[in-house]
Amino acid sequence: DAGVIQSPRHEVTEMGQEVTLRCKPISGHDYLFWYRQTMMRGLELLIYFNNNVPIDDSGMPEDRFSAKMPNASFSTLKIQPSEPRDSAVYFCASSFVRGANEQYFGPGTRLTVT
Amino acid sequence: SQQGEEDPQALSIQEGENATMNCSYKTSINNLQWYRQNSGRGLVHLILIRSNEREKHSGRLRVTLDTSKKSSSLLITASRAADTASYFCATAPGGGADGLTFGKGTHLIIQP
Repeated sequence: DAGVIQSPRHEVTEMGQEVTLRCKPISGHDYLFWYRQTMMRGLELLIYFNNNVPIDDSGMPEDRFSAKMPNASFSTLKIQPSEPRDSAVYFCASSFVRGANEQYFGPGTRLTVT
Repeated sequence: SQQGEEDPQALSIQEGENATMNCSYKTSINNLQWYRQNSGRGLVHLILIRSNEREKHSGRLRVTLDTSKKSSSLLITASRAADTASYFCATAPGGGADGLTFGKGTHLIIQP
């Protein structure tokens, strides 16, 4: 299996622009998680899905952030409009059975908002 | 908010020595996991220990869990240069929720 796939790997955008991050989980995994990593705050859970349904979005920082999972093999995290404080590495992870077990992380998308 | 807090924040040892990292957490847990992150890469799962377990081994890794003290330790024996990475503990809360809460990590450097 190719593992969790994320695109793009790097994204540089200007403040106010829309940013869309993409994730393809491991086939057969029922859970998908979006995390954000910064030096100041470490790794934070933003939102997670079970069987394509959002279960907990309490970590989404603001209404500027939205996430969708239209099918079992694809998820997006959108920021509109982007701000410099959104600069971070965004990780997607997937898990099978129960999510509170081993999670498989993608390589991350490094987002820089200028 | 950060549930787990690793200690130390950074650790530098000689190749072949053992490395010990500690993690403390605040609330009840279902399990505790350790992950490794190499520079510029995603996290890789190392080991999971459930709340009713006290010790677990996997290769050169040994994890202990003390739920009364809300703490865990990760021991890497006979360290290698390839073990240089950041190590994170992550807690899965009790009650069946699925999201993990990560600490800020210990950056381990193995000197050749």
